[in-house]
Amino acid sequence: AQSVTQLGSHVSVSEGALVLLRCNYSSSVPPYLFWYVQYPNQGLQLLLKYTSAATLVKGINGFEAEFKKSETSFHLTKPSAHMSDAAEYFCAVSVSGNTPLVFGKGTRLSVIA
Amino acid sequence: GAVVSQHPSWVICKSGTSVKIECRSLDFQATTMFWYRQFPKQSLMLMATSNEGSKATYEQGVEKDKFLINHASLTLSTLTVTSAHPEDSSFYICRGVTSGRNNEQFFGPGTRLTVL
Repeated sequence: AQSVTQLGSHVSVSEGALVLLRCNYSSSVPPYLFWYVQYPNQGLQLLLKYTSAATLVKGINGFEAEFKKSETSFHLTKPSAHMSDAAEYFCAVSVSGNTPLVFGKGTRLSVIA
Repeated sequence: GAVVSQHPSWVICKSGTSVKIECRSLDFQATTMFWYRQFPKQSLMLMATSNEGSKATYEQGVEKDKFLINHASLTLSTLTVTSAHPEDSSFYICRGVTSGRNNEQFFGPGTRLTVL
């Protein structure tokens, strides 16, 4: 069985500061890992995904994540936060591209002016 | 990128009525469709998996007779909430997966269901 743990249900950063959202996974097989963003009353938007290629994955809107097998982590970072980054972020894991995603509980990111 | 649409985007209904939610893949063939629901301020939970032309597989705790899923074509899957009750109020999201395009998967925009 797979699982995802997102540390911190709420993260608050100042505008321009580094964003770090933590995700640890558990998987018995090499995982596919995803980060999604959800704005209020909207669906999910894929930020980036890891599918066993490069361990440093670059996504949209300046976000990137690094797959670290030894730490079973896939933390999401962005060098400089913008007000528009305020949203809910979900980390998810699956065993392949066409299997169900298992989601973490989400982290709400607030950006302070 | 590929597009998945959901209709309606939001619906309000009375307790005891049935509501049908449509999920369409607009420019790809979704061989597999996943249905998720998301309660307020919570994460997404998988409800069921359906493959075109087959019966859906439901997750533990999801009533198959209450949440009817039909995946009759490669571009349309429907979720019908039968005899809806207030506790069924939730955000329902579909996710289509194609066997082509390296098994890429695409989420619909979601349907907000409110049962009064």
